[in-house]
Amino acid sequence: AQTVTQSQPEMSVQEAETVTLSCTYDTSESNYYLFWYKQPPSRQMILVIRQEAYKQQNATENRFSVNFQKAAKSFSLKISDSQLGDTAMYFCAFTGTASKLTFGTGTRLQVTL
Amino acid sequence: EPEVTQTPSHQVTQMGQEVILRCVPISNHLYFYWYRQILGQKVEFLVSFYNNEISEKSEIFDDQFSVERPDGSNFTLKIRSTKLEDSAMYFCASSELHPTYEQYFGPGTRLTVT
Repeated sequence: AQTVTQSQPEMSVQEAETVTLSCTYDTSESNYYLFWYKQPPSRQMILVIRQEAYKQQNATENRFSVNFQKAAKSFSLKISDSQLGDTAMYFCAFTGTASKLTFGTGTRLQVTL
Repeated sequence: EPEVTQTPSHQVTQMGQEVILRCVPISNHLYFYWYRQILGQKVEFLVSFYNNEISEKSEIFDDQFSVERPDGSNFTLKIRSTKLEDSAMYFCASSELHPTYEQYFGPGTRLTVT
């Protein structure tokens, strides 16, 4: 069974600064996909970024980038130039040959002035 | 931009009652899912649906739960006899191709069982 671990329950960052959220996972599968989802106070789940395990290049979406370390089974999210609108819960998620997403417990990010 | 929609946004029901949560997935998507999130906890997978049948379900998805795609657009989750512990946010999601592609989530239905 796959597991996803987010060891930082809460983090805080000042506006315009950079913050990194950690995620580790465990799987025996060789082909899988990793995601970061954002959940603002509205509780809508919004896809932030996606990484295919077979790709060595780290995914990037504007201010969001990942550091994917396959051997270490690590998948961290870096948010650059943090904005107040980035305040949300961030969930790391995994999917492999099964059709479901397995989520971590989330990291609550607070962006402050 | 196409989006997944869910109705109602909030449902209050009494213990033992049946509820039906409705979802309209993105129109060209082929895979459909239900997840739930108990307040303050992580999002948990309930069931996936493809080609008019369940492709995978979790231990949570017991005989009290059922899913249906009654027409070409709606995807429903029925809970036959609600319990207090069914109180949660229920998310519908859909993906265009294989599930390893992005799953797009609806805004959720908050179910409160009293």
